[in-house]
Amino acid sequence: GQQVMQIPQYQHVQEGEDFTTYCNSSTTLSNIQWYKQRPGGHPVFLIQLVKSGEVKKQKRLTFQFGEAKKNSSLHITATQTTDVGTYFCASGTYKYIFGTGTRLKVLA
Amino acid sequence: EAQVTQNPRYLITVTGKKLTVTCSQNMNHEYMSWYRQDPGLGLRQIYYSMNVEVTDKGDVPEGYKVSRKEKRNFPLILESPSPNQTSLYFCASSLRPGRSYEQYFGPGTRLTVT
Repeated sequence: GQQVMQIPQYQHVQEGEDFTTYCNSSTTLSNIQWYKQRPGGHPVFLIQLVKSGEVKKQKRLTFQFGEAKKNSSLHITATQTTDVGTYFCASGTYKYIFGTGTRLKVLA
Repeated sequence: EAQVTQNPRYLITVTGKKLTVTCSQNMNHEYMSWYRQDPGLGLRQIYYSMNVEVTDKGDVPEGYKVSRKEKRNFPLILESPSPNQTSLYFCASSLRPGRSYEQYFGPGTRLTVT
C-alpha cells in the first residue's frame, strides 16, 4: 500500500536554530496536509498544499510541496520553545495516510 | 465551542470484553474518521465515514467495527479486544469528504487491554 516516509524521526535543536522535516512518497500525492501534536495533546491542522511546487508561509513556518507531488517539507526558522511537539504530514481525501512524524525538542 | 469529543478518555479493560468508544462532533461535519496512534508508527486510519450510513475501511480495520446512524456520532466498537489493540485512539471530523478539508481531532482515548 501507499507509504509516506517522514524524516528525521527525532530532532533536538537549540532555541533559535532552524528545523526542517521531510515527507517522501513513492507515489504521487493528491495533496499534503501538515499537523502539529503537542506532548500529551491531539493533532492540530497547520496547513494544506495541493499544487505542484506550492510554497506557503505561516510566520516562521514555511511549507513546500514538491514539483512531482511526491515530497514535502516543513521548515521552521529560529525555533522557539513553543515549537516543541511532533509534526506529521498526511495525504488523502477520504482515506488518509500519515507520515510517522518528527518529534522536535527545543533546548532553551 | 466547535469541538470533537471522545469518551472515555482512559480505559483499562481485559481481553474479550466488548467496549465502545464514543465520538461526537458539533460542527455538522459530514466526514468522520478513527485513527490509532502507536509509537514509531504515527497515525493509522481504522475506519472512516463519508456521511450517515456510509462507512469504509482504513488501513487497519481488523478487530474494529463502526456505525454512523447520526451525523454527529461515530462510535468505535471493539467486539473482543486483544492486547495488540492497546493504543491511543483519535476520532476526527472534517467538513466534507472528497475534498481536501482539514481534520479536527478529538482529545484521544488511551486504551489498555490486559
